[in-house]
Amino acid sequence: NAGVTQTPKFQVLKTGQSMTLQCAQDMNHEYMSWYRQDPGMGLRLIHYSVGAGITDQGEVPNGYNVSRSTTEDFPLRLLSAAPSQTSVYFCASSDGLAGEYEQYFGPGTRLTVT
Amino acid sequence: DAKTTQPPSMDCAEGRAANLPCNHSTISGNEYVYWYRQIHSQGPQYIIHGLKNNETNEMASLIITEDRKSSTLILPHATLRDTAVYYCIVRVWIDMRFGAGTRLTVKP
Repeated sequence: NAGVTQTPKFQVLKTGQSMTLQCAQDMNHEYMSWYRQDPGMGLRLIHYSVGAGITDQGEVPNGYNVSRSTTEDFPLRLLSAAPSQTSVYFCASSDGLAGEYEQYFGPGTRLTVT
Repeated sequence: DAKTTQPPSMDCAEGRAANLPCNHSTISGNEYVYWYRQIHSQGPQYIIHGLKNNETNEMASLIITEDRKSSTLILPHATLRDTAVYYCIVRVWIDMRFGAGTRLTVKP
C-alpha cells in the first residue's frame, strides 16, 4: 500500500493564481481531510469529507474548495492564491471521524505564494 | 479538545528507552490520547493511541495514568532514526490540534 500520497511536493504561485493540490489514498478509507501547518500554529483543519460526494468545512475553510467524487481522491483547490496561504498542506485519511480512529497523513505539499 | 503540555526538548542515548511525558489535566472522558511524530518536514506519522488502558504496538508503548491526566510514550530502544518532534494530542473528533511538541534528539 502506498498509503496517502500528495502531489506536488513543492509549488510556488503568484498572488491570484489558482491551483489544485492532489491527494489520494489506497486504504479504502471513507474519511479524508485537509490540514495546513504553519509555524507556531500547529495543524489547522481546512475541509473534510465523510464519503464520496459529502464534504464539510473545518476551522479555516476560506479561500479553499474541495470535492470528493471518488473514495480514493480528495483534491484541494485554491481559488485565488494569497500570501497568507503560504503553508505546508497535509492530507489525511481514516476509517472514521471519532477519536478512536487514527488518521494517516500524506507527505505534504509545501506551497509558497509570492 | 483538551490542551496538552509537553517539554520542549529531550535527549536520549541510542539503544536506551525514551520516555516522553505529556500532561492533559483537562481531558474529558471520551477523549483519546494520541501520539504522532514528525521527522523534519515530513507528514505526521501515527505512533499509538489509547483511551484508558495502557497500549503497546510494534513502535511504542503508551502509559496512561489512572486519572487520565497524564501519559507517557515509551520508545523501548531508541535509534538515531527516532530523532523527531513528538506530539501528544487529545481528541474526540477528526480535528487534530497539534501543539509545539517535544523535540527528541537521540544521540550516539
